[in-house]
Amino acid sequence: GAVVSQHPSWVICKSGTSVKIECRSLDFQATTMFWYRQFPKQSLMLMATSNEGSKATYEQGVEKDKFLINHASLTLSTLTVTSAHPEDSSFYICSALTGGFEKLFFGSGTQLSVL
Amino acid sequence: GENVEQHPSTLSVQEGDSAVIKCTYSDSASNYFPWYKQELGKRPQLIIDIRSNVGEKKDQRIAVTLNKTAKHFSLHITETQPEDSAVYFCAASTGNYGQNFVFGPGTRLSVLP
Repeated sequence: GAVVSQHPSWVICKSGTSVKIECRSLDFQATTMFWYRQFPKQSLMLMATSNEGSKATYEQGVEKDKFLINHASLTLSTLTVTSAHPEDSSFYICSALTGGFEKLFFGSGTQLSVL
Repeated sequence: GENVEQHPSTLSVQEGDSAVIKCTYSDSASNYFPWYKQELGKRPQLIIDIRSNVGEKKDQRIAVTLNKTAKHFSLHITETQPEDSAVYFCAASTGNYGQNFVFGPGTRLSVLP
């Protein structure tokens, strides 16, 4: 099956710093990737849709200047949490759409803790 | 837009019994319905999916049924095992290129030994 790699798996940072999370499709090209935030025992909350070569589409209430998304190639999308604060602490997870009959596969997630 | 509801939110079954999780969707244009299993701290894993031109699909102990008229689909797990314990999410998609998937709120399944 399709493999989506996400790094880092966990990160601890100080308040005010920026953190970059990478999402890679390893064995397929992904024109579209999605970024989610997941709180404990809750469902996946879509943050933004990342399209290769164009600007990301953000969901209502998600600050685009705070959560920077770059989808520079067909196999890589990055999410940068800028000026992180403790309330940004969460599990961030990406997913990628395969081509053809589109199926959705998930990265392994990144647990972000902001001190 | 699409809205996906999922029931029950929690489900406990005895090992060996069957488990059924149901989802309803609102957008009649949705035509692809995957199910994901997420273990604690891990990624959601695609376990089975169904497209709208099919009414039922089975893969070993798991099966999915779809009723397009009623706009609902269900996951059936037979002969449950402790390793089936996880959170299960259903989703709906219109299948348009790059279309987002709308997820249900999840069902926490516990299989008791």
